[in-house]
Amino acid sequence: GDSVTQMEGPVTLSEEAFLTINCTYTATGYPSLFWYVQYPGEGLQLLLKATKADDKGSNKGFEATYRKETTSFHLEKGSVQVSDSAVYFCALSTTGGGNKLTFGTGTQLKVEL
Amino acid sequence: DAMVIQNPRYQVTQFGKPVTLSCSQTLNHNVMYWYQQKSSQAPKLLFHYYDKDFNNEADTPDNFQSRRPNTSFCFLDIRSPGLGDAAMYLCATSPMVGLSTDTQYFGPGTRLTVL
Repeated sequence: GDSVTQMEGPVTLSEEAFLTINCTYTATGYPSLFWYVQYPGEGLQLLLKATKADDKGSNKGFEATYRKETTSFHLEKGSVQVSDSAVYFCALSTTGGGNKLTFGTGTQLKVEL
Repeated sequence: DAMVIQNPRYQVTQFGKPVTLSCSQTLNHNVMYWYQQKSSQAPKLLFHYYDKDFNNEADTPDNFQSRRPNTSFCFLDIRSPGLGDAAMYLCATSPMVGLSTDTQYFGPGTRLTVL
């Protein structure tokens, strides 16, 4: 079945450091890929998405590129801020799966001054 | 602003006492989803409605039921909550089902505590 594997957290960075959160996937067919962010005590918000190979999703300084050859969708940001502290979920959906989202286990990011 | 609203944000119930969680949306989306998210885990889909068509996930316990009286509202009923049902319950919507490119829009969640 479909699955998403994320690097385990927590990840602790200093402000202005470079961020990479790794995400790889296994899916039948051609999935769409998503990054969702969850701030403490809140629901999930879409951060970015990519719907086909080589697409790059970007938002708020974050970006991720859909790499079909390596089945990856790594999240990057050049300079993190304290306000980026949250849990980040990589997810996929497939048309044959009824648009069901399959999530990774999440990676907690903590940014310190 | 168009949004997904969940009430209450925090719900405390007793072991075995039925509880209902509410979700409403102003996005006019056809699809509504309920996810269960236990502490430090990924959200897990319980079921979804495409319009009035109910779709249960194979591993969703019978203890969980849902109602969608109209496009805007969807309810999650837990008939006899156990301690293991304590979790955050997330409601989400999307415009269509069957399109993997569609974004799901999440509400803020209801945190359920079972005493």
